[in-house]
Amino acid sequence: DIQLTQSPSFLSASVGDRVTITCRASQGISSYLAWYQQTPGKAPKLLIYAASTLQSGVPSRFSGSGSGTEFTLTISSLQPEDFATYYCQQFNGYPRTFGQGTKLEIK
Amino acid sequence: QVQLQESGPGLVRPSQTLSLTCTVSGGSISSADYYWSWIRQPPGKGLEWIGYIYYSGTTYYNPSLKSRVTISVDTSKNQFSLKLTSVTAADTAVYFCARESWSGYFYFDYWGQGTLVTVSS
Repeated sequence: DIQLTQSPSFLSASVGDRVTITCRASQGISSYLAWYQQTPGKAPKLLIYAASTLQSGVPSRFSGSGSGTEFTLTISSLQPEDFATYYCQQFNGYPRTFGQGTKLEIK
Repeated sequence: QVQLQESGPGLVRPSQTLSLTCTVSGGSISSADYYWSWIRQPPGKGLEWIGYIYYSGTTYYNPSLKSRVTISVDTSKNQFSLKLTSVTAADTAVYFCARESWSGYFYFDYWGQGTLVTVSS
């Protein structure tokens, strides 16, 4: 299985901050990576796919980059609704696997 | 607008079989562009992919669950289903159904709201 490791697992930040979350894969996955946002009691919401393609309707303050084994999700200016848990997921092989999650909290 | 909705018992006894159905509306489950997956999330924990089914009936299961999982599809009802046998407390989780789209790259673009299944006597 392809392991995905996110860092940090917890992140405390303020509204207006720029934050970056990293996802590292245990083997190369080209650009077959997606990012999701999950708020309590809700299903994950697709933010980015193909490592850097913004899903329709997602604000442009979200961006993704990377390929191979290292990827990042950046939120350029945190808004109150962005405080949530973020997951990366790989689509390079089966089984599909997710990172352990990064919980973004208000400072 | 595509919508997915999980249904099934919220409580299952240990050693019994967990059965859930996902009903797809606003789109056809028979489209060649999509795979239909089950994903679960134990309380307070991360996401685990269980497996997928294609409209033709082709399946792929997570090896960690393969011996206990069956996913089936009913194209006439626009539904797909999950069966997980011999459940234990470790199978307590929110179960999501999701659509995996293919457009050069894969991604889960539509999800059900999730349904909590508790395994307890």
